[in-house]
Amino acid sequence: GQQLNQSPQSMFIQEGEDVSMNCTSSSIFNTWLWYKQDPGEGPVLLIALYKAGELTSNGRLTAQFGITRKDSFLNISASIPSDVGIYFCAGREDYGQNFVFGPGTRLSVLP
Amino acid sequence: EPEVTQTPSHQVTQMGQEVILRCVPISNHLYFYWYRQILGQKVEFLVSFYNNEISEKSEIFDDQFSVERPDGSNFTLKIRSTKLEDSAMYFCASTGTETYEQYFGPGTRLTVT
Repeated sequence: GQQLNQSPQSMFIQEGEDVSMNCTSSSIFNTWLWYKQDPGEGPVLLIALYKAGELTSNGRLTAQFGITRKDSFLNISASIPSDVGIYFCAGREDYGQNFVFGPGTRLSVLP
Repeated sequence: EPEVTQTPSHQVTQMGQEVILRCVPISNHLYFYWYRQILGQKVEFLVSFYNNEISEKSEIFDDQFSVERPDGSNFTLKIRSTKLEDSAMYFCASTGTETYEQYFGPGTRLTVT
């Protein structure tokens, strides 16, 4: 089946720094979703992307739908301690209803 | 704000027992999903459900699993004879028809002993 890769797998940053992470696929997707998951909780939807090249912001978060339709990027500006968690990307292929999830990027923010 | 709810939050069961996990999707959503997440691993798709039938299922969703929408609000996942390896968080999710934004519930932690 489809596989998504996320990088980096984990990252440690200082509070106030900007963060970049990405998600790549061998398949072309028509929708990308980015989620954040805190321990023991369900994933929370952050941003949804529907068109190649689309750039969408949600507060300090900005995500982009790659123009090849095989990747997506998430940036967090001016990180704060509550940004700690696991960030998952999920992609959906053309003509599909279902999403496949990446393995996640674990973000740690040091004070 | 509408949200997906799940009960119970934690279920402990003995191997071989049947369990039913319950979900109430967002009320105007029409697509429903179950996912599984083994501790420390990624979210894995189990099954999707639309128009009162399964639209797609993964290899994980074998004959031990079934889903049902018994009334207009609930969506259930049944595991007939649980195995130790079924221990995981089980998430329900739902999607509307106008966007593909998929919203997750808080999960049920299933522990099989």
